[in-house]
Amino acid sequence: EVQLVESGGGLVKPGGSLRLSCAASGFTFNSHSMNWVRQAPGKGLEWVSSISGDSNYIYYADSVKGRFTISRDNAKNSLYLQMNSLRAEDSAVYYCARGGIKVFMYDYWGQGTLVTVSS
Amino acid sequence: DIQLTQSPSFLSASVGDRVTITCRASQGISSHLAWYQQKPGKAPKLLISAASTLQSGVPSRFSGSGSGTEFTLTISSLQPEDFATYYCQQLNTYPIAFGQGTRLEIK
Repeated sequence: EVQLVESGGGLVKPGGSLRLSCAASGFTFNSHSMNWVRQAPGKGLEWVSSISGDSNYIYYADSVKGRFTISRDNAKNSLYLQMNSLRAEDSAVYYCARGGIKVFMYDYWGQGTLVTVSS
Repeated sequence: DIQLTQSPSFLSASVGDRVTITCRASQGISSHLAWYQQKPGKAPKLLISAASTLQSGVPSRFSGSGSGTEFTLTISSLQPEDFATYYCQQLNTYPIAFGQGTRLEIK
């Protein structure tokens, strides 16, 4: 059974940092691209970042470029999002999502972890 | 960047109704479009990939169509469990984009 479990969310002050993790199980992790998507309270879905299975291809939304860093450890079946210089507008539930193979889609999602940026 | 515009943003319908949600892309995205359903407090669930491929376990009352810039999600006969928010997503080009969502409520 495919499982994605996020952790690392919490309350942080503006300008602070946080590192999110996503533990994956039930599939061949290095065969899939992985993604972070966020959702501010009461708002829609916003794509944040994507990383290919071999980490050779990495993409960011303009809203986080230069502040967030996506990475993965295939030996540990884990995905990460290092978030620096956090702003109030980064407050959201952050989901990790698995990319499809040969089919463009996000087929499995974690339950999400809440990040709140507030003084 | 590609923008996706969903219509309507809000839809009130009754059990048994047939409903259609439209997603328009600002430029052509071939068939690289997915549809998701999200219920309050839950993660999105993939319904349809590649514009029209129904995911395993998703009821056949859901269907998707379209290519290029115009896409539709149709629910042929609404069931109580279908009342949720629906999002389209383009995966043709980075940055990935989602539509703003369509909230489907019980009339």
